[in-house]
Parts: sequence; structure tokens; C-alpha cells
Amino acid sequence: DTAVSQTPKYLVTQMGNDKSIKCEQNLGHDTMYWYKQDSKKFLKIMFSYNNKELIINETVPNRFSPKSPDKAHLNLHINSLELGDSAVYFCASAPGSGANVLTFGAGSRLTVL
Amino acid sequence: AQSVTQLGSHVSVSEGALVLLRCNYSSSVPPYLFWYVQYPNQGLQLLLKYTSAATLVKGINGFEAEFKKSETSFHLTKPSAHMSDAAEYFCAVSVNTNAGKSTFGDGTTLTVKP
Repeated sequence: DTAVSQTPKYLVTQMGNDKSIKCEQNLGHDTMYWYKQDSKKFLKIMFSYNNKELIINETVPNRFSPKSPDKAHLNLHINSLELGDSAVYFCASAPGSGANVLTFGAGSRLTVL
Repeated sequence: AQSVTQLGSHVSVSEGALVLLRCNYSSSVPPYLFWYVQYPNQGLQLLLKYTSAATLVKGINGFEAEFKKSETSFHLTKPSAHMSDAAEYFCAVSVNTNAGKSTFGDGTTLTVKP
């Protein structure tokens, strides 16, 4: 069983469209994250949820909206996609306390044409 | 706020040579420090972590790192590189008072030459 699973793995879409990426973890972790990795491999945190509550919201356009229906799921919806949104989006989970080691999903590569 | 600087975006070594990847951190409170590895088209996975116990930390695949508070460093080493070590390596820092947010360095691409 995959610990942190993301779908879809690849997304190719046109500018202006809306898309969603789903994430699920079966580790029993309390905290889930979305990270964005750009073409230079830089990794930046976007959002963090702890037990369905939003606790980190970095400077991200309002077009990005995370949703956590329960602590095992964290989805990312993106409205009005722009070229600059092309990146690999990683979901991760962590226990939520202590050293908080992250377990990452395999990533979702979004390409906006 | 915490931050991490990885010196050298690209490191190239010969197979069998020493691997040294540099990481310096900044934190106003005692940090937790991590090294993660990312193989092509995969997510990141933990290599090792420092959590204020032993300053010399051993990880998977023969890697180790030493926490040096006086130098604010957490460099990653491996005595003998394998071809399979070629990957992207990320140093990260988190603190217990910041909702567990991990801040990543810009990454170092390790190339291993035969």
C-alpha cells in the first residue's frame, strides 16, 4: 500500500481551465501539506492542514484552494490556470509534532499550455 | 524564521570517491535538520534527521551527517559514492514551534561519474 498517494500523476491542460489534484495518506498522520517544485527543482510550501484545519497558508494566489474533508485527505483545486502554474505538486504528510518527518507522494506534474 | 543554504547546486564525483554535500542553517530556536533525496520522477524520501540527540547522524545507503552548532552546519557525507547515489539532495530545517513547517534548501544535484 502506498503511504501517500496522489492522483493524477500527470495533468496537461489549457490556460484558463480549472483542475484538481487529490491526495490521500494511510499513515494516520495528523498533518498534510502541499509543496510546489518548479522547473529549477526549488521546493516551496504552499499549504498545511492539521486535523482538517488550515494552519499554514503561504503567499499563494487565491486561485489555489485546498480542501481537507478529513485528516487522511488533502485536495488542491486550481482555478483559471496560468502558464506559471506549470510545476510538480507534491503532497506530504507528517505526524504533526516533534521532528515532523515528511512522507512525500510521488508528485503530480502539471503542464499548462 | 528558519532558513537553509545549500552550497553548490551541482556536485560531481567519481565512483568510489568521497561525497560531501554542504548545508548551513539559520534558526532562532533549536532546529530539527533533515536530508532528503529525490530520484528522477519520484517524490522526496528521508535520508537522515537530526533531532538534538547524537550530533553524528547515520542514515540510509551509507550516508551520514554531522550537526555542528558552532558552524551552523549539517553537511552530508558518504565515504564511497555509487552510481546509484546520483540524485537531487535537499537539506531541510524545521522547528517545533512553527506548526512543523519544513523549509527546504535549493537542492544539490549529485552526479557520479564511472
